[in-house]
Amino acid sequence: DAMVIQNPRYQVTQFGKPVTLSCSQTLNHNVMYWYQQKSSQAPKLLFHYYDKDFNNEADTPDNFQSRRPNTSFCFLDIRSPGLGDAAMYLCATSRDMTYEQYFGPGTRLTVT
Amino acid sequence: TQLLEQSPQFLSIQEGENLTVYCNSSSVFSSLQWYRQEPGEGPVLLVTVVTGGEVKKLKRLTFQFGDARKDSSLHITAAQPGDTGLYLCAPNTGNQFYFGTGTSLTVIP
Repeated sequence: DAMVIQNPRYQVTQFGKPVTLSCSQTLNHNVMYWYQQKSSQAPKLLFHYYDKDFNNEADTPDNFQSRRPNTSFCFLDIRSPGLGDAAMYLCATSRDMTYEQYFGPGTRLTVT
Repeated sequence: TQLLEQSPQFLSIQEGENLTVYCNSSSVFSSLQWYRQEPGEGPVLLVTVVTGGEVKKLKRLTFQFGDARKDSSLHITAAQPGDTGLYLCAPNTGNQFYFGTGTSLTVIP
């Protein structure tokens, strides 16, 4: 059974058109992460939630926002996607900050 | 974010060969994780090493944590095409894990 679910698996959006990516988890973990991954590169952490506390990485552009309405769900909002935002977006969860991270399958975003 | 280097960045080898991937830093870490990411999937945890000098084995994979807990290596014996993927080390900086730059491995049948 899938523990970290990301929808959709593939998303196409237009340049400048807001887009939201979704993540849900059945693990009841405290922490949820969003990563951006470009081809053959390591995942780059954008931000994470520890419970309701939001933690933004210093170099994450303001164009990227996140919401966590409850323990199970977390959303990534890209307010005005640019061509450079085309990437795989990975959601992950962990029980605590120093525990194993469980990743979803990712959403591949294309910007036209 | 701690400066963390993985080498090599890309590696293409024939089936049956051995290989070693390195993860190096100037910082001391309390623990370190290794993940493998197969194409089109999210990373999956392979192992966590905690003690300086620790060696862990997972079938044909051998993981070592440096004595000073600043570096780690992953050795694969007799690589198989199924080992193809992106290998990521993720040291614990004290309050969270950060991924290294990754090693993209291709094993040619």
